[in-house]
This record gives sequence, structure tokens and C-alpha cells, in this order.
Amino acid sequence: AQSVAQPEDQVNVAEGNPLTVKCTYSVSGNPYLFWYVQYPNRGLQFLLKYITGDNLVKGSYGFEAEFNKSQTSFHLKKPSALVSDSALYFCAVRGRSSASKIIFGSGTRLSIRP
Amino acid sequence: EAGVAQSPRYKIIEKRQSVAFWCNPISGHATLYWYQQILGQGPKLLIQFQNNGVVDDSQLPKDRFSAERLKGVDSTLKIQPAKLEDSAVYLCASSALGQNNSPLHFGNGTRLTVT
Repeated sequence: AQSVAQPEDQVNVAEGNPLTVKCTYSVSGNPYLFWYVQYPNRGLQFLLKYITGDNLVKGSYGFEAEFNKSQTSFHLKKPSALVSDSALYFCAVRGRSSASKIIFGSGTRLSIRP
Repeated sequence: EAGVAQSPRYKIIEKRQSVAFWCNPISGHATLYWYQQILGQGPKLLIQFQNNGVVDDSQLPKDRFSAERLKGVDSTLKIQPAKLEDSAVYLCASSALGQNNSPLHFGNGTRLTVT
């Protein structure tokens, strides 16, 4: 069965510092991996995805994520955090079979202090 | 392009009443999803449509929830009768046809409060 874990409910970072939001997954075979961001009273917005190839994926708003197959992780990163990055972040995984559904993690609240 | 449209944005009902939510996906998106997002949790898939056919409704509580997408475009999700535990945000999403790596495009959701 597929699953995804976000071990931190909240991450606090000072503006200008690097940030990391962690995600680990479990899926049969090679996964598709996604990060979404959710601002208050809004739906989820797609940030980036991993399909194949380069383990470092670049996405919207300066975010990137690193796929690590041996550790089954897909951590979200940004070199220099902005206050406007404060939001709820969801990692998601999907298998490659046609019957596979997308599974979301429980979310990590990112708070950037000025 | 216009995004995924959902209405209403907010709804408050009493338990045992019925409620319906509407979703219009991005034009040309064949796949439509309804998710339930309970406070503090990630979205949980309720039902997935491909055009006007149901692909996955394994987590839809069929004794009280129903959904349709009759013409393969917009969709309606209904709850009848509602329970207190149905209080959540109901998100609609759409994606391009047939690819597991296609990102989902979400609407802003309907926040349902059952009292």
C-alpha cells in the first residue's frame, strides 16, 4: 500500500535562512512525487514534481526538492526563506500503474519569522 | 486559463440536513476529483471521474454521499443526511487526461460546518 509521511507538523525558520520540509514515502516501484502549498482559505497549489532523471527538481517560487531513492525521501528546500513562504505544505505520492491513486501527507505548517 | 470553480465557498447546516456542492473543472480536463480535507489533515480522495465515468469511489461513504458528472464537465457532490463528522473542506480538483504524473489543479474549496 502507498503511504507518505511528513514527520514535522510545524517548521519555524528565520527569514533569509535556508528551509527544509521533510517527506518520506512508501510505494511499490518507482514513484511520482509532488509538493503542493496551501494558503489560508485556498485550495492546494502545485509547486513541483519528480518524474524521473535528475534527483534535484526545481519548482515555483524558488523551491526545489531532492529525490533520494535509498532513503525514500523527497524533501522540499529553499536556500533563503521569505515571510511570504509561510503556508501549509503537502507532499504527495502516486505509483505508476493506471490504478494508482495520489496520496497526500498530513501537511507541514511552515512559519517564517521576520 | 480559468481555474477550477467551486461553489458555495461556505455552508452551515444542521445534522441530518442535506447539502450539495458544485465544481466546474478547467476546460478540457477530463479527470475530476473530489477530496475531503478535515482540519489538520491532508486531503482524502472521495471520488475520481474520468470524463463522466467513475474511476475510483472506494473511499466514498455511499450510504450518505453521492456524486455525479453527467456530461463529463461539471460535477456535483451531495451529502444526505449530514453528520457532525462531515464538517470539513471539500476540494475539487482536475487534471489533464490519463497521466499519473499530471499535477492536480484545485479549486478554493467549500467549507462545510455541520452543527
